[in-house]
Amino acid sequence: DSGVTQTPKHLITATGQRVTLRCSPRSGDLSVYWYQQSLDQGLQFLIQYYNGEERAKGNILERFSAQQFPDLHSELNLSSLELGDSALYFCASTPGGSQRDTQYFGPGTRLTVL
Amino acid sequence: AQTVTQSQPEMSVQEAETVTLSCTYDTSESDYYLFWYKQPPSRQMILVIRQEAYKQQNATENRFSVNFQKAAKSFSLKISDSQLGDAAMYFCAYRSAFRGSTLGRLYFGRGTQLTVWP
Repeated sequence: DSGVTQTPKHLITATGQRVTLRCSPRSGDLSVYWYQQSLDQGLQFLIQYYNGEERAKGNILERFSAQQFPDLHSELNLSSLELGDSALYFCASTPGGSQRDTQYFGPGTRLTVL
Repeated sequence: AQTVTQSQPEMSVQEAETVTLSCTYDTSESDYYLFWYKQPPSRQMILVIRQEAYKQQNATENRFSVNFQKAAKSFSLKISDSQLGDAAMYFCAYRSAFRGSTLGRLYFGRGTQLTVWP
């Protein structure tokens, strides 16, 4: 158990809908990273937050957004869902913003868009 | 952008034997970190081992060790005394050591599916 929690484990929804994925980092960790794992694209970095502020952006679609709250949990919002958004979404956390920190991953949320 | 290549989509090994998974990467940076993550059928991403580029000594964690060749930009994972529980998808990952817009992100290879035969 990495100490990172993600809810829900599974999510099934229809095209055009909006969903919210939640991540709670390890106790004391300030940085949260979101990744998408799909068969087509592999593991791709989406976005990073550090202590409530956006730090880095990857190949995140405009239909996707994220935020980190004062209690340091993070939410990834996916809207106008398409079939191609079906994937496993991971979050990872680190104590700070240092590159020395190792990222520990949550169990992931499997999103299925029908 | 940095790229990570795992040229072996699948590998197999007999229980108790040794197997080596290959990884190469492309970067113009001199300081970085390299990782091997394991993803079993549960889909959890589990850190196996980590290597700092500035360290010449190869990292070792119990039965797992790496062969880090900085000049060749190669980072292979050796699993000794393979166990059934080692069966998983293995991902090689790169992380820059420099601050910038890509701060903190991991670049992953496409993975190598390891099967362990009893």
